[in-house]
Amino acid sequence: AQSVTQLDSQVPVFEEAPVELRCNYSSSVSVYLFWYVQYPNQGLQLLLKYLSGSTLVKGINGFEAEFNKSQTSFHLRKPSVHISDTAEYFCAVRRAAGNKLTFGGGTRVLVKP
Amino acid sequence: ETGVTQSPTHLIKTRGQQVTLRCSSQSGHNTVSWYQQALGQGPQFIFQYYREEENGRGNFPPRFSGLQFPNYSSELNVNALELDDSALYLCASTFNSDTGELFFGEGSRLTVL
Repeated sequence: AQSVTQLDSQVPVFEEAPVELRCNYSSSVSVYLFWYVQYPNQGLQLLLKYLSGSTLVKGINGFEAEFNKSQTSFHLRKPSVHISDTAEYFCAVRRAAGNKLTFGGGTRVLVKP
Repeated sequence: ETGVTQSPTHLIKTRGQQVTLRCSSQSGHNTVSWYQQALGQGPQFIFQYYREEENGRGNFPPRFSGLQFPNYSSELNVNALELDDSALYLCASTFNSDTGELFFGEGSRLTVL
């Protein structure tokens, strides 16, 4: 079975400052990794995904994440946040040969002016 | 805009009742999955349907059941509602489950009193 741990439940950050959201996973088999964003009262939107290849993945809205197999991590970063980045962010994993996403508990990002 | 629509957006039921939640996917999306998101938590996989047959299930009891129709719509049915069933129910669809990119609807928020 897979599991995902998002180490920070809340991250306050000032506008234009960088942010990093941490995600660690555990799995005994190969996995795909994802980051989703959920704005208030909305569903989930895919930010980026890692399936294979380059370990640095670039996504939408200026986000990027780095897959580190030895540390079983997939941390999300943005060099300069905007007020509009205020949302909840979820890390998720899926077995390469599977059909369900396992989500972490989420990190709430609050961008302050 | 993901092209996945869910109805109703909000509903209130009492313990012991039954509920049906509906989802309409994009044309061509032959795989649909349902997730339960309790308040303050990440989504949890309920089950997945592929070409109208269930092909994966999470740790949910049989009173959670589903249907998928040829017109790319689907339903989630929950019988004998319990207070802990109060949550946001998310439908997600894809045309290629191998890459794992899911398109989520905005969810149906169920409150059980």
